[in-house]
Amino acid sequence: GEDVEQSLFLSVREGDSSVINCTYTDSSSTYLYWYKQEPGAGLQLLTYIFSNMDMKQDQRLTVLLNKKDKHLSLRIADTQTGDSAIYFCAESKDFNKFYFGSGTKLNVKP
Amino acid sequence: GAVVSQHPSWVICKSGTSVKIECRSLDFQATTMFWYRQFPKQSLMLMATSNEGSKATYEQGVEKDKFLINHASLTLSTLTVTSAHPEDSSFYICSASWGPGELFFGEGSRLTVL
Repeated sequence: GEDVEQSLFLSVREGDSSVINCTYTDSSSTYLYWYKQEPGAGLQLLTYIFSNMDMKQDQRLTVLLNKKDKHLSLRIADTQTGDSAIYFCAESKDFNKFYFGSGTKLNVKP
Repeated sequence: GAVVSQHPSWVICKSGTSVKIECRSLDFQATTMFWYRQFPKQSLMLMATSNEGSKATYEQGVEKDKFLINHASLTLSTLTVTSAHPEDSSFYICSASWGPGELFFGEGSRLTVL
């Protein structure tokens, strides 16, 4: 499948902003997603962005897409301890098959 | 939002037995469902695409005789791990497509094979 890469860990202090980065290789990707997974649980869709957009903001979440560099980021403003989880980016080009990155474990210190 | 439910959420079985995992879309019809496998501290690996009324499409390297998928109705897909062995122990997650680009995931089923 397509390659989607993320850094494995990120540690921030409560109240700071978190930025999770993701790179992908398939330039024909149509949608790019961010999912959150809490321990022992399934995946929760956080947000997604169309490939023809540069930015999408949803409350504390900001997604930035650099299509030229195939780079996607998720910024979480005012990070809380409840945001501690694993965050997966994913891409798809046919609205159905998703390819996931390895996940970034976000640790929020009080 | 759309709800996808899996059952059981946790199953322990003896080596050599078969285990069936159900995936249901509770409030919408899903012609296509997907099965993923997640190893500890690793990403989700797409195993197969389950199509209602037809054969599943398996990803490269996934044994179709080992992981039987049946999508008998628009709201139910099942994954049967046949003759399970300890190396099949994993977290299995299904998903269903709600609309273009929107995929909703089940809670996952943790399989432990003794």
